Amino acid sequence: EVRLVESGGGLVQPGRSLKLSCAASGFSFNDYWMAWVRQAPEKGLEWIGEISQDSSTINYTPSLKNKFTISRDNAQNTLYLQMSKLGSEDTAIYYCARTGYFDFWGPGTMVTVSS
Amino acid sequence: DVVLTQTPPTLSATIGQSVSISCRSSQSLLDSDGNTYLNWLLQRPGQSPQLLIYSVSNLESGVPNRFSGSGSETDFTLKISGVEAEDLGVYYCMQATHAPYTFGAGTKLELK
Repeated sequence: EVRLVESGGGLVQPGRSLKLSCAASGFSFNDYWMAWVRQAPEKGLEWIGEISQDSSTINYTPSLKNKFTISRDNAQNTLYLQMSKLGSEDTAIYYCARTGYFDFWGPGTMVTVSS
Repeated sequence: DVVLTQTPPTLSATIGQSVSISCRSSQSLLDSDGNTYLNWLLQRPGQSPQLLIYSVSNLESGVPNRFSGSGSETDFTLKISGVEAEDLGVYYCMQATHAPYTFGAGTKLELK
């Protein structure tokens, strides 16, 4: 069974950094591109970016390119999202998803940016 | 960025009714590889999104065949032939042809 489980969310002060993780199981992690998507409270979905199987290609939505960094550890079957200079606009549920067709999503982890 | 315009924003339906959701793209979603990367997702209340349809018209494994997708280039439609209670939630179209990938604003399906 394919499983994606995000972790690392929580309450963080404005201007601080936070690193999210996504643990993958049930499939050959190193065969797939992976992505991060977020959803602000009561809002729609926003694609953050994606990373290729071997990390050679990483694409970001332009507005987040200088704030967020996507990485992965294929030996640990884990995807990461490093977030810096967080502001209230970054308050959201953060999902990891298996790309290709976005056929599997994790349950998400909530990040709240507030003083 | 590609803008996906979904209509209607809200849809009220009775059980058994057939409904359609439109998704219009600001530019063609036909990729240079010949594929059109337009997907439909359902987000039930309190849950993460679930893939229903990929590449315009392909039914994801395990998804009931009352769901169908059609369209090409810039105009796409999701049809539910006989709404069931478990279909309630917000439907999103999304495109993965042009980076940054984008989502429609969503269509909320409610019971009438």
